Amino acid sequence: DQQVKQNSPSLSVQEGRISILNCDYTNSMFDYFLWYKKYPAEGPTFLISISSIKDKNEDGRFTVFLNKSAKHLSLHIVPSQPGDSAVYFCAARGLTQGGSEKLVFGKGTKLTVNP
Amino acid sequence: DTGVSQDPRHKITKRGQNVTFRCDPISEHNRLYWYRQTLGQGPEFLTYFQNEAQLEKSRLLSDRFSAERPKGSFSTLEIQRTEQGDSAMYLCASSWAGNTEAFFGQGTRLTVV
Repeated sequence: DQQVKQNSPSLSVQEGRISILNCDYTNSMFDYFLWYKKYPAEGPTFLISISSIKDKNEDGRFTVFLNKSAKHLSLHIVPSQPGDSAVYFCAARGLTQGGSEKLVFGKGTKLTVNP
Repeated sequence: DTGVSQDPRHKITKRGQNVTFRCDPISEHNRLYWYRQTLGQGPEFLTYFQNEAQLEKSRLLSDRFSAERPKGSFSTLEIQRTEQGDSAMYLCASSWAGNTEAFFGQGTRLTVV
């Protein structure tokens, strides 16, 4: 039972264009959503987050949009740069029975930005 | 402070051997998490500490796995009698209570042969 889904395993865009990465979730109790970027042989690096009470959060070239009614969020990268090439993970935070605020991750989308 | 540190970065072990990994979180963070990532999957939650107390363990964490955080600072994850299915990247993350984002270390890549 996958609660966070990233249905596109890969995405390829041209440098300078917009990259849009999508994520769907099933658990309406999630209260925060995060995007992480991961390079090979490294741990995930935090990019941007959004609270469930907001519908947009922007940080430089990165914007995350949240549509709660559709249980969908997306990450926009504008303009895309070759250094953005990495695997992007969508993650959702929710309280567990034990009270921990664990993150539930999607399987990731591999973004390739071509020069 | 340079972030979350994990040691070793890579570990190759024979099936049946015990292995131990160490994680040093960001110093002011009181929450520490262990995750496991296999090929083609996102990180999966294993266990969580707040200070020295282990508050939750995933059902993924079999009896062969044990984690400690004795003084509320660094943590260790031990796997006894390793199996080939234990081969994965083991990730440690830390955060401060009340903050949203968790910061990850570079991981320990375990290969069981």
